[in-house]
Amino acid sequence: EVQLLESGGDLVQPGGSLRLSCAASGLTFSSHAMSWVRQAPGKGLEWVSTISSNGGTTYYADSVKGRFTISRDNFNNTVYLQMNSLRAEDTAIYYCAETTVTKGFTYWGQGTLVTVSS
Amino acid sequence: QSALTQPASVSGSPGQSITISCTGTSSDLGSYNLVSWYQQHPFKAPKVIIYGVSKRPSGVSDRFSGSRSGNTASLTISGLQAEDEADYYCCSYAGSATFVVFGGGTKLTVL
Repeated sequence: EVQLLESGGDLVQPGGSLRLSCAASGLTFSSHAMSWVRQAPGKGLEWVSTISSNGGTTYYADSVKGRFTISRDNFNNTVYLQMNSLRAEDTAIYYCAETTVTKGFTYWGQGTLVTVSS
Repeated sequence: QSALTQPASVSGSPGQSITISCTGTSSDLGSYNLVSWYQQHPFKAPKVIIYGVSKRPSGVSDRFSGSRSGNTASLTISGLQAEDEADYYCCSYAGSATFVVFGGGTKLTVL
């Protein structure tokens, strides 16, 4: 059974930083691209970032480009999202998801809540 | 990165069929057979129910079906059941520059 477990969500002040982690099990992690998708309170899903299976290629939504960095550790089956210069509009539940272009976001974690507020 | 356009809400009675539309552009939905649909119940993570426009993952009911015509994709749910009440999101690959875009979501109410 595939399991994705996010952690690292917290209350942070505007302008602050936070690093999210997503630990994967039950899949050949190094063979799969991984993504972060967020959902602001009461709002829809927003794709944030994707990293290829070997970490060599990354993609970012315009709303986070230059502030967020996705990375992965294939030895420890973990994907990360480093979030800098956080804004109130970054407040959301952040989900990690196994990703393929052909099959979309196949497996999802339960999410971790990031709140940006003073 | 403009979102795909979905109706905010749809409703139907048990046993009926409903269709949710998802409109994009020739740069995303209209260019790729890479549309997926997600079902999200309250306080739960999303779940993929359709990928590749019309393919169903293992374990997803055949009451869910997908199609695409031009720049518009559609999700049809037949034989509506109470458990289908949820939010539904479409998503499309949009090329290597944009990667993916989501629709704004549609709330399905089973009357």
